[in-house]
Amino acid sequence: EDKVVQSPLSLVVHEGDTVTLNCSYEVTNFRSLLWYKQEKKAPTFLFMLTSSGIEKKSGRLSSILDKKELFSILNITATQTGDSAIYLCALLSNAGNNRKLIWGLGTSLAVNP
Amino acid sequence: EAGVAQSPRYKIIEKRQSVAFWCNPISGHATLYWYQQILGQGPKLLIQFQNNGVVDDSQLPKDRFSAERLKGVDSTLKIQPAKLEDSAVYLCASSSGVASTDTQYFGPGTRLTVL
Repeated sequence: EDKVVQSPLSLVVHEGDTVTLNCSYEVTNFRSLLWYKQEKKAPTFLFMLTSSGIEKKSGRLSSILDKKELFSILNITATQTGDSAIYLCALLSNAGNNRKLIWGLGTSLAVNP
Repeated sequence: EAGVAQSPRYKIIEKRQSVAFWCNPISGHATLYWYQQILGQGPKLLIQFQNNGVVDDSQLPKDRFSAERLKGVDSTLKIQPAKLEDSAVYLCASSSGVASTDTQYFGPGTRLTVL
């Protein structure tokens, strides 16, 4: 059965810290892995990863995929209180003629001043 | 470009009542999704439309939930009758459906409380 497991489930850090969020997966017919940030509203898209070993960066956020070991990490450097959110990992798979998005439960990040 | 629109933003009903949610996707997006997100969990796909056809509704509780996208643009999701466990945020998302960009863009969601 396809599944996505995120860790840790929750994390509390201080401003300025660096955090690493993990997403491991088991899936047949992998297509891509997506990271979303969810505050008190709907998820907003961060990254889409398709190839192993190619880091994607956006400001203080970066992410990389390892298709051999079946995981991805999301790094946030110099964290700010505005980074407090739930970070969701989702896997896009090809299921027959259909594409399916499988979601993890998320990592709840709290950044304290 | 304008984002995914949803209404209402909040709804409170009593159990056994009916409720309907509306979604207007990003212009030109062929694929539309309805998700249910219960507090503390990731989104759960209820139904996926490609234009006005259903691609996946395997997790839609069809005895009480229904959805339609008649003209291949906006969509409605209905719950009839509602149960307490239906309290959740209902998210609508759309994607262009082009192979290289499977990114889903989400609307603000409708928070449903069933009393």
